[in-house]
Amino acid sequence: GAVVSQHPSWVICKSGTSVKIECRSLDFQATTMFWYRQFPKQSLMLMATSNEGSKATYEQGVEKDKFLINHASLTLSTLTVTSAHPEDSSFYICSARAPGDNSPLHFGNGTRLTVT
Amino acid sequence: KQEVTQIPAALSVPEGENLVLNCSFTDSAIYNLQWFRQDPGKGLTSLLLIQSSQREQTSGRLNASLDKSSGRSTLYIAASQPGDSATYLCAVRGRSGSRLTFGEGTQLTVNP
Repeated sequence: GAVVSQHPSWVICKSGTSVKIECRSLDFQATTMFWYRQFPKQSLMLMATSNEGSKATYEQGVEKDKFLINHASLTLSTLTVTSAHPEDSSFYICSARAPGDNSPLHFGNGTRLTVT
Repeated sequence: KQEVTQIPAALSVPEGENLVLNCSFTDSAIYNLQWFRQDPGKGLTSLLLIQSSQREQTSGRLNASLDKSSGRSTLYIAASQPGDSATYLCAVRGRSGSRLTFGEGTQLTVNP
């Protein structure tokens, strides 16, 4: 089945630094990838939709200058949390849809970000 | 705005029991509905995808139904096992665009 790889699985960084998270579709091409954020005991909140070769579409309330998204190829999207602060600590999950409008979404294993 | 609700929020059952998880959504104009499983600290694993024109999908011990007109879906798990313990999320995809709207999930514990 379709596999989405997310890296790193966890990261600890100091306040003020930037962190990059990678999301790769390993065995299919994904023109669209999605980035979610999940707080403890809560469901997923869509942050942005990443389209290959164009600018990402951000959800209301998500700062695009804070959460930089790059989707440079059909198999790779990156999320960079810039000037991270403790309140950015969360679980970030990416997903991608295999070709075909009826295809299911496949998710990466998530990245646990802790900002100290 | 689409809202997705899952009941119950948590469920604990003994091993071997059959169980039903419920998902309801407010806007019946959906494209499809997908059930996921999430283990602690992990991403989501897709379990079943039901298109809006379908009424049910089956995979092994799992059966998902969809009643679009009433805005409801159920996930039936037969002969539950301790390995089924996880949080189960349902998500609906609206007619326009690709976004999914997730429910809050049902945390299932199957006791040996």
